[in-house]
Amino acid sequence: DVKVTQSSRYLVKRTGEKVFLECVQDMDHENMFWYRQDPGLGLRLIYFSYDVKMKEKGDIPEGYSVSREKKERFSLILESASTNQTSMYLCASSLEGAGASGREGSYEQYFGPGTRLTVT
Amino acid sequence: AQSVTQLDSQVPVFEEAPVELRCNYSSSVSVYLFWYVQYPNQGLQLLLKYLSGSTLVKGINGFEAEFNKSQTSFHLRKPSVHISDTAEYFCAVSDRLDDYKLSFGAGTTVTVRA
Repeated sequence: DVKVTQSSRYLVKRTGEKVFLECVQDMDHENMFWYRQDPGLGLRLIYFSYDVKMKEKGDIPEGYSVSREKKERFSLILESASTNQTSMYLCASSLEGAGASGREGSYEQYFGPGTRLTVT
Repeated sequence: AQSVTQLDSQVPVFEEAPVELRCNYSSSVSVYLFWYVQYPNQGLQLLLKYLSGSTLVKGINGFEAEFNKSQTSFHLRKPSVHISDTAEYFCAVSDRLDDYKLSFGAGTTVTVRA
């Protein structure tokens, strides 16, 4: 079974702190994703990575950065946390896209349990 | 990018009654379609997916969904719900040109009552 783990389930930080959220997957997946989940808004993509050291902005990258130094690990960084970044953060991973691999279904995303971040 | 609309934010339903959750997406280009479920305090879990072929897709826990290309819809159904189906359900879409990125709907909270 694919397993995606996130370093913390709950985190409380102060405004202005630098925050690191870690995500690890154990299935040698190419793609990794960071989303934030807010009531009534669903999941919104912050950043994704399709290879080691490669990243692309998602729909709401402002105030965030990411790091992927190893294939299995994808970190989300809040350089200076603000109260409007209080949210649930979900990490996901998937094998390469069907367009690249020719294997339909290889891009199903597997999610971690989430980190509920509160910034006070 | 795709836009995904889940038409109901909250759906209360009695145990053993049927339920339908509605999902529409914006584009008529070739798409892949998914339904995910999120139980309280957990991450998302895949219920079912449509990639190609038959428009009626069966998933886990007795759920099924029907892809309707002309109406750009992918509605989720279950003929008889259980208390354990209480959860939030998300519809997600990717288009075949950008198939590793998903666009999610806002979610539908299903509350099953005895």
